[in-house]
Amino acid sequence: EVQLVESGGGLVRPGGSLRLSCAASAFTFSSYAMNWIRQAPGKGLEWVSSISSSSSYIYYGDSVKGRFTISRDNATNSLYLQMNSLRVEDTALYYCARGSTEAAGRGNWFDPWGQGTLVTVSS
Amino acid sequence: SYVLTQPPSVSVAPGQTARITCGGNNIGSKSVHWYQQKPGQAPVLVVYDDSDRPSGIPERFSGSNSGNTATLTISRVEAGDEADYYCQVWDNSSDHFVFGSGTKVTVL
Repeated sequence: EVQLVESGGGLVRPGGSLRLSCAASAFTFSSYAMNWIRQAPGKGLEWVSSISSSSSYIYYGDSVKGRFTISRDNATNSLYLQMNSLRVEDTALYYCARGSTEAAGRGNWFDPWGQGTLVTVSS
Repeated sequence: SYVLTQPPSVSVAPGQTARITCGGNNIGSKSVHWYQQKPGQAPVLVVYDDSDRPSGIPERFSGSNSGNTATLTISRVEAGDEADYYCQVWDNSSDHFVFGSGTKVTVL
C-alpha cells in the first residue's frame, strides 16, 4: 500500500525555522512529482509547493515564496520542506501528497495524501 | 490569480442527490479534481480529470465540467458521505495549483 508519512512539525517562534520531511513507500518515488499542501485550523486547503520527479521544476504559492524551499532525495524516497522566517499565519497541518505525473504542474492531481504534521508558530 | 468559488454548505436527505458546484472563469477549459475530507482525516481524491473515478470510489460519485462551472454529483447520498469537499485546478497563467474554499455536505 502506498504510504506517505510526514514528520518534523512542532512549535516554533515567529521568525524561526523548521524542516518538514515526508517518507514515501510502496511506489516508485522517483517517477512522481510531490507536493506540500497545508490546512490552517478550521480552514480550507492551501497549496504550498510542488516539485517534479527530477527536481527540475519547482513551484511555490505566493504566501511562502522566498521563505520556503522544497526538495527531494530520490535515493531515500524522501520529500522535504525547509521553512524559514515563519509567521503566525503559517500555523497549519502540513500534508505531503503524491502528484499524478512526473511533471509538477498541469495535469496533476493529489493522491494519496499523508496524515499531516502540525506546525504551530507562536510566541 | 484564479479563483474557484464553492457554496459553503449543501444539505441533502439520505437517498437523494447532492450537487456541489465549483465556479471559475472558463473552468471548462481546465481539468478539475475533487477531494473528500472527513473530520480529522486527510483528504481523499474522489474524482479526477473532471469525471474519472479512482479505484475504490463508488459509482455514486460523478463529475462534470463545462463553461464556468464544474459539478460534483453524489447520487443516493449516504450518512457516510457527510464531509467537506474541495475542487482543485492548475492555473497556467500563474503556475499555481488552486483549491476551492470547500463545501460542507450535511446529510439530514
